[in-house]
Amino acid sequence: KAGVTQTPRYLIKTRGQQVTLSCSPISGHRSVSWYQQTPGQGLQFLFEYFSETQRNKGNFPGRFSGRQFSNSRSEMNVSTLELGDSALYLCASSFVGGLGTEAFFGQGTRLTVV
Amino acid sequence: TQLLEQSPQFLSIQEGENLTVYCNSSSVFSSLQWYRQEPGEGPVLLVTVVTGGEVKKLKRLTFQFGDARKDSSLHITAAQPGDTGLYLCAGPNTGTASKLTFGTGTRLQVTL
Repeated sequence: KAGVTQTPRYLIKTRGQQVTLSCSPISGHRSVSWYQQTPGQGLQFLFEYFSETQRNKGNFPGRFSGRQFSNSRSEMNVSTLELGDSALYLCASSFVGGLGTEAFFGQGTRLTVV
Repeated sequence: TQLLEQSPQFLSIQEGENLTVYCNSSSVFSSLQWYRQEPGEGPVLLVTVVTGGEVKKLKRLTFQFGDARKDSSLHITAAQPGDTGLYLCAGPNTGTASKLTFGTGTRLQVTL
């Protein structure tokens, strides 16, 4: 059974640019969540998609957005990149996405903004 | 806002030693999960505890959920270099259960 796949693994972007990250969840999982991980803030929840709808959202500015496709694959977009957006972006898929949900993470996309 | 505090923040021990990592909150969680993350990789789920007072064992790792479901601990017996990594506890938010709150993390290094 294939795990969660995130692409690309590494990205270097310039301030002001935008970036799109992709996540393919485990087959059969309909919930996809995105997290940002930095040394200073740890793992912070960005948003969750379930059946193509955003179900939950964290406390991030509107520059961070996402979507989910009918095959459960998800993308997140960051516009007008800032240096502080440099982080490991993690995608997690879950079977149900409800109480007691267990999240299975991808390897992440390491984004560096210069 | 539900917060999870982990202690210690860093731990460097020698192979064969025992250790305990703590995860504490002032809030009640319906369940807590423990993950281990290695550098450059995503967190890997180790265990989920659901019932207050529950104890789960995974080889040399013992996980306990507090009776009041506000805290949890991870005990490693006879640590090995392969146990090195970042240990994270996480729990679902009340009302938005699919959103996980992660602990501050404990970075463990086990040397020969």
